[in-house]
Amino acid sequence: GEEVAQTPKHLVRGEGQKAKLYCAPIKGHSYVFWYQQVLKNEFKFLISFQNENVFDETGMPKERFSAKCLPNSPCSLEIQATKLEDSAVYFCASSQSHNQPQHFGDGTRLSIL
Amino acid sequence: GESVGLHLPTLSVQEGDNSIINCAYSNSASDYFIWYKQESGKGPQFIIDIRSNMDKRQGQRVTVLLNKTVKHLSLQIAATQPGDSAVYFCAERGYGGSQGNLIFGKGTKLSVKP
Repeated sequence: GEEVAQTPKHLVRGEGQKAKLYCAPIKGHSYVFWYQQVLKNEFKFLISFQNENVFDETGMPKERFSAKCLPNSPCSLEIQATKLEDSAVYFCASSQSHNQPQHFGDGTRLSIL
Repeated sequence: GESVGLHLPTLSVQEGDNSIINCAYSNSASDYFIWYKQESGKGPQFIIDIRSNMDKRQGQRVTVLLNKTVKHLSLQIAATQPGDSAVYFCAERGYGGSQGNLIFGKGTKLSVKP
């Protein structure tokens, strides 16, 4: 598609449950980025992919967070054993190359109760 | 470490006036900068970008200025309209071991009074 599509728009989970977020990048874009935005403030980079390969995972809390971008499927970000502090809006962005503008989806609001 | 920040957290302007939003960055090796507009409940929307080999770039009603000497970036919006009301973020492309990802500043909320 011509827009980054993120689903679901809002996800509510009890503390300790698993959460899985999805992202369909813009068609033709090779790079996918995940960011976390807390309290409508700063964005924290989590992980990026070049096609199905991890490009940079320096921002990823590896203990509970994982992500994949498989061929012919939406990319996914999964959080195991969620904590209250995981409550945030998670944005996905895609770009044609790593030094081209990143285009963002409208995010998934994750609420941990 | 790398950081990007904004001088003013809020900016209120009259419709029709020009707006200037400022941003400071700390990594002199950064080579790419970008401005985003974020409306409530939406993702960041690309406005304009600039590479470090330029000091000015113009778009439709927007101009980005880059001063590498003092590591300063600004976004100028001409004839500000109510639809420009949003939070504006500057971002810097991560350099070195984290190329590609964006490092965002704190955001400036722009309010346009009719």
